[in-house]
Amino acid sequence: DAGVIQSPRHEVTEMGQEVTLRCKPISGHNSLFWYRQTMMRGLELLIYFNNNVPIDDSGMPEDRFSAKMPNASFSTLKIQPSEPRDSAVYFCASSRTGGVQPQHFGDGTRLSIL
Amino acid sequence: GENVEQHPSTLSVQEGDSAVIKCTYSDSASNYFPWYKQELGKGPQLIIDIRSNVGEKKDQRIAVTLNKTAKHFSLHITETQPEDSAVYFCAARTGNQFYFGTGTSLTVIP
Repeated sequence: DAGVIQSPRHEVTEMGQEVTLRCKPISGHNSLFWYRQTMMRGLELLIYFNNNVPIDDSGMPEDRFSAKMPNASFSTLKIQPSEPRDSAVYFCASSRTGGVQPQHFGDGTRLSIL
Repeated sequence: GENVEQHPSTLSVQEGDSAVIKCTYSDSASNYFPWYKQELGKGPQLIIDIRSNVGEKKDQRIAVTLNKTAKHFSLHITETQPEDSAVYFCAARTGNQFYFGTGTSLTVIP
């Protein structure tokens, strides 16, 4: 397996700009998770999908954040407009089990909003 | 909701010594306890897990123990090597919720 693939690995942009993070889960995995990691708050679950359907989006900070999973092999996390406090490492993870526990993480996107 | 506490936040050991990281949880309904290793610039990697019907599980140099009565579980790494240096996270699943600990930065000194 190629593992969970995230792009871009790094993103630097100015506040107010739209940011789109992308994720390709492991083939055959039916759960997909978006996490955010910061020093202050640790690992935070933003949203997770099961069979392409959003199950729990209670961790999405506010309306500026949106996530989609149009098919089993692709998901996006969009921030519009971006703010400096959104700076963090964003991880995508997938799981074969269909439960709430992530099994395999991607290597993350390091996002810096200036 | 569940509260997962992890100690210590940092740990340094000499190569070849053992390392122990401890986590406590608050909800007796929690039934699945994985451990993740995160190397610099990488995502967390699941390294071992234990379910509530098991007291101990071992995989080569790593082991996890669970004490349901006391609501705590521990990660044990024996014969530590420099490549064990990383941040380790415990986690707990309670129903449809999943909670990470705050992480332990382990440094193995050659």
